[in-house]
Amino acid sequence: QSVLTQPASVSGSPGQSITISCTGTTSDIGAYNYVSWYQLHPGKAPKLIVYGVGDRPSGVSNRFSGSKSGNTASLTISGLQTEDEADYYCSSYTRNDTWVFGGGTKVTVL
Amino acid sequence: EVQLVESGGGLVQPGGSLKLSCAASGFSFSGSAIHWVRQASGKGLEWVGRIRSKANSVATTYAASMKGRFTFSRDDSKNTAYLQMSSLKTEDTAIYYCIRHNDFWSGYPLADWGQGTLVTVSS
Repeated sequence: QSVLTQPASVSGSPGQSITISCTGTTSDIGAYNYVSWYQLHPGKAPKLIVYGVGDRPSGVSNRFSGSKSGNTASLTISGLQTEDEADYYCSSYTRNDTWVFGGGTKVTVL
Repeated sequence: EVQLVESGGGLVQPGGSLKLSCAASGFSFSGSAIHWVRQASGKGLEWVGRIRSKANSVATTYAASMKGRFTFSRDDSKNTAYLQMSSLKTEDTAIYYCIRHNDFWSGYPLADWGQGTLVTVSS
C-alpha cells in the first residue's frame, strides 16, 4: 500500500481540465513544500513535470500546474490533449529524511 | 547533458543476489546523491533509498521494506553507483531506476532518471 493516496483513474475529454489529488500526512506533504509530480508513459522513464508544489521544469507545458492545501497536493492538467494520456505519480520528501510516492493515477483522454 | 545508465539487471532465483550499476555522466557525480526507485509490473513507483556524497559521509538511507537486504555503494573515480541486492524475493521483480539528486537541498526534485534495468526474480 502506497504512503500517498491518489485516485486510481481520472478521465476527461480533449480540451477539458482534470485534477488529480494526492493525500499524505503532516509528516510528508503537510510538512514541506517538497511535492513533485511525474508523468509515466509505457516503456519510458518517469518525467518530472511539477516540483516544489507548483514549479515546472524548463520545457514542461504550462498546462500542468500544481498546488497544495494542508496534507493534500493536487495536479491540474488544463486543455487536456491526447498525449497527456499516461500514468501520474506524486512524491514527497518526509520528516524521516525519506521520499514517498503515491500509488499512481491513470489519466484517460476520452 | 546529464546521463544515467543502469545495468546489471537480469533473471535471478529467489534467495539469490544481484548487483546493479548506475553509470553517470554530464554532471558532478562526486557532489551528488544517488537515489534508487523501482517499479514492479503493473504497480506504482517505490522509493528504494539514497546514497549521499562524500561531503555527507556517503550516508545511506533505505526504505524500511528493503533495509538489511539492499546495500548502496559508490565509486566516485568511476562515476558509478551500485545497488547490491541479496536474499531476493519474487516481489523484488521490478524495473530499477537510479536518479541524480542535489545532495545539499532535500527539496531539490528527483529530476534526472536513468532508463532503468529490469530485475526478474523467478525460479
